[in-house]
Order: sequence, then structure tokens, then C-alpha cells
Amino acid sequence: AQSVTQLDSQVPVFEEAPVELRCNYSSSVSVYLFWYVQYPNQGLQLLLKYLSGSTLVKGINGFEAEFNKSQTSFHLRKPSVHISDTAEYFCAVSNTDKLIFGTGTRLQVFP
Amino acid sequence: DSGVTQTPKHLITATGQRVTLRCSPRSGDLSVYWYQQSLDQGLQFLIQYYNGEERAKGNILERFSAQQFPDLHSELNLSSLELGDSALYFCASSPHQLSNTGELFFGEGSRLTVL
Repeated sequence: AQSVTQLDSQVPVFEEAPVELRCNYSSSVSVYLFWYVQYPNQGLQLLLKYLSGSTLVKGINGFEAEFNKSQTSFHLRKPSVHISDTAEYFCAVSNTDKLIFGTGTRLQVFP
Repeated sequence: DSGVTQTPKHLITATGQRVTLRCSPRSGDLSVYWYQQSLDQGLQFLIQYYNGEERAKGNILERFSAQQFPDLHSELNLSSLELGDSALYFCASSPHQLSNTGELFFGEGSRLTVL
């Protein structure tokens, strides 16, 4: 069975600082990995996805993630965060018919 | 705006009651997914429909049922409601079967409060 683990439930950070949100996955087969973001009172939207090819994936709003097969990780990074990045971030893995989400990491950016 | 419409946005009801949540997918999308988001369980996959047929089932209780109609909109029916059913229910759509590569487009959710 496939699953994802988000190690941090909350990450507080000051504006313009770098941030890394951690995600580890388990799967016995090839994986397709995703990061979604949920802004307050909104639905989820896709930040970026890894399907194949380059292990460094760039997404919207300056976010990027690196697929590391040996570490079974897909950590999300941004070199300099803004107040507007405050949101809940979900890592997800896909099997043939559904997305399986992690428990989410709340990123709180302070001025 | 994802193009996925969910109604109602908010719903307050009592234990033992029955409610229906409605979802209109993005124009042209054939697949509809339902997810439940609660504080203690996170985002849980409930069920998926593709072009009117049930294709995948997750952690959906027997008190819950869903269907997708010929016009591709979907309804999630929750009956004999319990306090623990209070949650945010999301609908998402995609053009085809997820097939490992797809992106889901989420609605803004229906917040159900059971008193």
C-alpha cells in the first residue's frame, strides 16, 4: 500500500526566510508525487508534481521539490517565503485511481 | 476558481438527520472524487465516479452513499448523521481516470456541522 508521511504538523517561519516542508512516502511500485496547497477557506490546488524525469521539480509561486528515491522523500522548498504563503500544504501520492494525502503541514509566515 | 462547484457551502443539522451534498465538476471532466477533511483524520478519500460508474471506494461509511448523474454532477448522501460526521467535504474532478498522472481540481468544500 502507498502512503505519505508529513513529519511536521506546523512550521513557523519569518518572512523572506527559506523553508522546507518534509514529506516521505512508502510504495512498492513507481510513484507519482504531488504537493497541494490549501489557502484559508479554499479548496486544494496543485503546487507541483513529479511524474518522471528530472528529480528537481519547479511549481507555482516559487516553490520547488526534489524527488529522492534512496531517501523516499519529496521535500518542498522555497528560498524566500512571503506572508501570502501562509497556508496548509499537503503531500500526496497517486495510485491508479486516487490520490492519497498526508496529514498536512501548516506553514505560518510571520512579518 | 477551479471550475468545480459545491453546494451548500455550509450546513448545520442535527444527529440522526440526512443531508445531500452536491458537486458540479469542471466542464468536460468525467471523473468525480469525494474527500472528507476533519481535524483528527485529515483528508480521507471516500469514493470516485467515472462517467456515471463507481470506480473506487475508500473509507466511506455504509451510512454514506454517492452517485454521478448523466449530466456528470454528483451527490453525496449522508444519513443517520453522528457528531463525528462533522467535517469539510470536498469534491474534486479530473478529465479522465486519474491514471497516476492526473491532477485533481477541487471545489471549495461543503462544511457540515452536526449538533
